[in-house]
Amino acid sequence: EDKVVQSPLSLVVHEGDTVTLNCSYEVTNFRSLLWYKQEKKAPTFLFMLTSSGIEKKSGRLSSILDKKELFSILNITATQTGDSAVYLCALNAGGTSYGKLTFGQGTILTVHP
Amino acid sequence: ETGVTQTPRHLVMGMTNKKSLKCEQHLGHNAMYWYKQSAKKPLELMFVYSLEERVENNSVPSRFSPECPNSSHLFLHLHTLQPEDSALYLCASSQGGRSTAQHFGDGTRLSIL
Repeated sequence: EDKVVQSPLSLVVHEGDTVTLNCSYEVTNFRSLLWYKQEKKAPTFLFMLTSSGIEKKSGRLSSILDKKELFSILNITATQTGDSAVYLCALNAGGTSYGKLTFGQGTILTVHP
Repeated sequence: ETGVTQTPRHLVMGMTNKKSLKCEQHLGHNAMYWYKQSAKKPLELMFVYSLEERVENNSVPSRFSPECPNSSHLFLHLHTLQPEDSALYLCASSQGGRSTAQHFGDGTRLSIL
């Protein structure tokens, strides 16, 4: 059975800090790994990673995948209070023609002014 | 404003009621999903429709009945629910293809009395 484990489960930092969120996984048939940010409503898509060692970057956020060691990290530099959210890691795996996501339990990030 | 719209945003119902949740996507996608998000648990996939055909049913009790009349609309019909069914129900859509991201609606917060 595919499995996704995120750590830490929660994290409290101050504005300006840099944070690293971790996602490890077990999978039979890997397709991609996705990161989402969830505030009070819809999870919003951040990144999709399919290849090892290629960093994806968007502003202060970046992410990388290691398919040998089966993990991904999400980095946020110069954090702001607006970064406070739950960050979800999801694994897309299986032999189907559509996406079938397995989610981790999420990391709750709180950024204090 | 997301391309996936869910109504109602909040729903309170008794265990003997029948109600329906509605999801509409404006992204031209051909796969739609229902997820359940309970407190302190990962998002759980309930149903998947690909090209209007149900392709996944993850051991969901029969008191939940999905319907997909066309590629833009998805319903979740509810009847005789239990208190443990109280949760956030999220709809998502994707453009079929194995490595595309899913886009989520804001969800319906369901409370069973």
